[in-house]
Amino acid sequence: DVKVTQSSRYLVKRTGEKVFLECVQDMDHENMFWYRQDPGLGLRLIYFSYDVKMKEKGDIPEGYSVSREKKERFSLILESASTNQTSMYLCASSVRGYGYTFGSGTRLTVV
Amino acid sequence: QKEVEQNSGPLSVPEGAIASLNCTYSDRGSQSFFWYRQYSGKSPELIMSIYSNGDKEDGRFTAQLNKASQYVSLLIRDSQPSDSATYLCAVNRAGGKLIFGQGTELSVKP
Repeated sequence: DVKVTQSSRYLVKRTGEKVFLECVQDMDHENMFWYRQDPGLGLRLIYFSYDVKMKEKGDIPEGYSVSREKKERFSLILESASTNQTSMYLCASSVRGYGYTFGSGTRLTVV
Repeated sequence: QKEVEQNSGPLSVPEGAIASLNCTYSDRGSQSFFWYRQYSGKSPELIMSIYSNGDKEDGRFTAQLNKASQYVSLLIRDSQPSDSATYLCAVNRAGGKLIFGQGTELSVKP
């Protein structure tokens, strides 16, 4: 089975901090995605990547950036954390045309 | 109109009944359709995928797709309390991205 590992299950950060969320997948998938999930708003796509060093903006990229230096690793960066970025962050990977496999999620609280 | 819409919940069914979850989508070019189950506090888990019109069965789950009507559904037979979760419908957008519905919360009462 594909395994997608997110480095932290819970994180608490202060406003203005730079935050790194790490995601690693072990099945050589080309595609990787970052979503956030909020009550009433569902899953919203932040950024995605189809290949190493490639990135594309999703629907809500403001305040975020990403890095994909290796095929298996896709990092989400909050340049200056704000309280409205408190959310559940979900990383996923896939082969094109097939469903995603999600990581276990990181619940980030910004205080 | 939202790209992917699901019938609003929560949906409550008695144990042993059939639960029916519905989803409509707006992009006629969509080719791949997925159902995810998400338990409270957990990440979504892929339970069914369907790519062509008709029914696809996997155990107690049946996915149904009608591209002409832009409609996909999930039937859960012999519902169990352990099926209580939020079910997310997902439809592919060009380039391999998935668009998710808001989810339908299912509660199976013993």
